[in-house]
Amino acid sequence: AQKITQTQPGMFVQEKEAVTLDCTYDTSDPSYGLFWYKQPSSGEMIFLIYQGSYDQQNATEGRYSLNFQKARKSANLVISASQLGDSAMYFCAMREGLYRDDKIIFGKGTRLHILP
Amino acid sequence: DVKVTQSSRYLVKRTGEKVFLECVQDMDHENMFWYRQDPGLGLRLIYFSYDVKMKEKGDIPEGYSVSREKKERFSLILESASTNQTSMYLCASSLGGQTKKTQYFGPGTRLLVL
Repeated sequence: AQKITQTQPGMFVQEKEAVTLDCTYDTSDPSYGLFWYKQPSSGEMIFLIYQGSYDQQNATEGRYSLNFQKARKSANLVISASQLGDSAMYFCAMREGLYRDDKIIFGKGTRLHILP
Repeated sequence: DVKVTQSSRYLVKRTGEKVFLECVQDMDHENMFWYRQDPGLGLRLIYFSYDVKMKEKGDIPEGYSVSREKKERFSLILESASTNQTSMYLCASSLGGQTKKTQYFGPGTRLLVL
């Protein structure tokens, strides 16, 4: 069974609109971390935002916020006021256990296209 | 800023060749990782290392080996390249033992095996 599921292979959104990228996860470990990365066409993976399983509040980083719904095992990325430069591939990832780097599991990604 | 560099952005090799992919990080990170990325499959972990001369198999180690002789350098080796190893290879490093700290990635190497 997949541990990280991104159900949207591709999305088209008008510039300046808000975007929600879906991510659901599956783990029995009570301690875990959730990440979102952006990968532009240049190929480099860029870290966007992190949410720990014990964090009480949803994480925010500038225009990015993570809608963390623990009971539903959902960690959607919200991008407010989208820009043309947001066009990229986006990956949701999970680390089981709070410290072990080798347990980071990536979803298959969502390709976001921002339309002018 | 953390910097992770990879020796080549694009590489073309022939079947059966021995291929070396080099990765260097400049932030004294303990942990280093090699992933391959294929369309529709996301990133899959090949090997990782927690320290010099230490290596651990990831999810898809078959056909690959690694070397970490110095802390800042982690090499991925394809002993005898095959066409099914055509892929994007991403190296990453991290400080380790940190909750919020993420992995930092290099720019990737697009390998084509003919």
